[in-house]
Amino acid sequence: SQQGEEDPQALSIQEGENATMNCSYKTSINNLQWYRQNSGRGLVHLILIRSNEREKHSGRLRVTLDTSKKSSSLLITASRAADTASYFCATGGSGGSNYKLTFGKGTLLTVNP
Amino acid sequence: NAGVTQTPKFQVLKTGQSMTLQCAQDMNHEYMSWYRQDPGMGLRLIHYSVGAGITDQGEVPNGYNVSRSTTEDFPLRLLSAAPSQTSVYFCASSWTGSNSPLHFGNGTRLTVT
Repeated sequence: SQQGEEDPQALSIQEGENATMNCSYKTSINNLQWYRQNSGRGLVHLILIRSNEREKHSGRLRVTLDTSKKSSSLLITASRAADTASYFCATGGSGGSNYKLTFGKGTLLTVNP
Repeated sequence: NAGVTQTPKFQVLKTGQSMTLQCAQDMNHEYMSWYRQDPGMGLRLIHYSVGAGITDQGEVPNGYNVSRSTTEDFPLRLLSAAPSQTSVYFCASSWTGSNSPLHFGNGTRLTVT
């Protein structure tokens, strides 16, 4: 069963604008990860945030995690046409699910030049 | 480093045929996994391995077999292909399972007629 659910399913913005994607999950986690997938390619890891962290930055990416609300957000600032891709959140569980990374269905981001 | 290499890139099978999807990684990762990606379903875990000789089932293991005789290789076998197995298959590896970033191959697009 899917653990993470991304919102919105699709997002279309203009180059230079910021893009925000959200992820909600249901059970306790060790960490939450964000991945990007360009059309026809494999997924590329963007950022990992652990359950005891609240915010993390990497270049133009900012990820927040609110474990009380079981939600995370990915912010891409000053977007570029090259950011056009699908973005997935994935949750790493604890205990028996320590080896299973569970993916959501993704957000399709289109950045128009 | 080549990273994670999957072969073939494309395959067409007839119902009932068997085949093996190959996956190799050159990063000395202990953890390897297979996902399938279907439209609107995100990625679903088929099987995973935490080291040579050790494999376990994921979310959707039926109809698939795996083995892990070396650290580098993790082949996925379709025993008797069915149209429901038409999908894009991704192999991924990491140091420690769900607590570290996954490195993905570029996928195998399989069609079963």
